[in-house]
This record gives sequence, C-alpha cells and structure tokens, in this order.
Amino acid sequence: ETGVTQSPTHLIKTRGQQVTLRCSSQSGHNTVSWYQQALGQGPQFIFQYYREEENGRGNFPPRFSGLQFPNYSSELNVNALELDDSALYLCASSVDQYSGNTIYFGEGSWLTVV
Amino acid sequence: AQSVTQLDSQVPVFEEAPVELRCNYSSSVSVYLFWYVQYPNQGLQLLLKYLSGSTLVKGINGFEAEFNKSQTSFHLRKPSVHISDTAEYFCAVSPSGGSNYKLTFGKGTLLTVNP
Repeated sequence: ETGVTQSPTHLIKTRGQQVTLRCSSQSGHNTVSWYQQALGQGPQFIFQYYREEENGRGNFPPRFSGLQFPNYSSELNVNALELDDSALYLCASSVDQYSGNTIYFGEGSWLTVV
Repeated sequence: AQSVTQLDSQVPVFEEAPVELRCNYSSSVSVYLFWYVQYPNQGLQLLLKYLSGSTLVKGINGFEAEFNKSQTSFHLRKPSVHISDTAEYFCAVSPSGGSNYKLTFGKGTLLTVNP
C-alpha cells in the first residue's frame, strides 16, 4: 500500500457528461500528479500540482482541469467527455515537486465513457 | 521532449529462468530513468531508478538495470524469475533536475512467467 487513495474505483459516464475524480495524497506529500492510462498503453502525464498551483501540464486539452486543496488532496475534472477518455486515471504523490523523487501511485479510477 | 521505446510488448519465460526487458530512450536533455511494475488491477510500483553515479542500479524483488548512455538504453534484468513476477513492466524517463516529474512512459512489456 502506498498511502495514496483514489475514488471512485470504477465509474461509467455518458459522452458529453462531466466527471470528477478524487485523490488523497500520502501523508506529508505536497505534490500530486495525474496520469491517463488507456488500455494497452503506458500512462500519460496530464498535469502536476505543487502547493495548490499547477506547475506542469502534458498534451491534454483544457477540458481536463484539476485542483489541489490545502490538505494536498486533489481532484481531476474532465468536461464534455469523449469515448476516447475511457481509461484508467492514476494519481501519484511525492514529498516535493522535483523530478527524480520517488512518486507513489494510487490504484486508479477506471472511467468508461459510453 | 523525451520518448521511450520498450522493444518487446510481451516476454514469456519459464520459472527460474533469467529475463531481460529492453528499454531505449530518446531525449535532448539529461534524464532520470525509472522502471515501474504494474500488477493486474493495481497502480504502479517503483522497482528502481537511475539518477546519477553507478550505472548498475539494484532495485526491489531482485531486479537490476544498467544505464548505457552511449546506447541510450536502460535494460531491466533478473537472474531467476518467479511466478509472482508476472506483471506489466514500464520504463520511464523524466528530465533531470526539472521542477516537475512529467514522467514519459513506454508502452509496457508484459512479462509472463510459466511453471
């Protein structure tokens, strides 16, 4: 167990809807990042938050947005869902924002868009 | 920008045999290198990482990897595998000294250990 918890574990949404995924970081970690893992693919970096501010973003459209709260928990919001958004969404946390630090992944949220 | 190529999508081996999972990367800047393992229906777990220093890195569960800068490779090895090593393995890179992780992953190698 990594101490990173995600909810919900599975959900089904309809195309065009909006979804919110939640992540609770490991205790003492102030940095959280989100990844999308499509079936049969490696995870792709969506964005990273450090002390409530976004400090890095991958090649995802603006309808993917996030928040980090004062307790360092985080949300990933996706608007106007598309079928290709069906994937495992992984949250990861670390003690700070620098590359090279070990990051700890949660078990993910499976999103199916129909 | 960085990219990672895992040369084998699937590697079947017999229990107690040695295994090598191959990873090549491309980057215009210095990078850190990682191997992660993903068991079915679970998140990713770090096996080992290379930041600097000795090019031979030892990780958990008896795995090791060797960084080869001239060949831009970071192959993962284990001298004797167990059934429990059956999982998906991902190689990843991130820019060294960066202010965010932005791990770039390969597509993964499914290691299947047969009795």
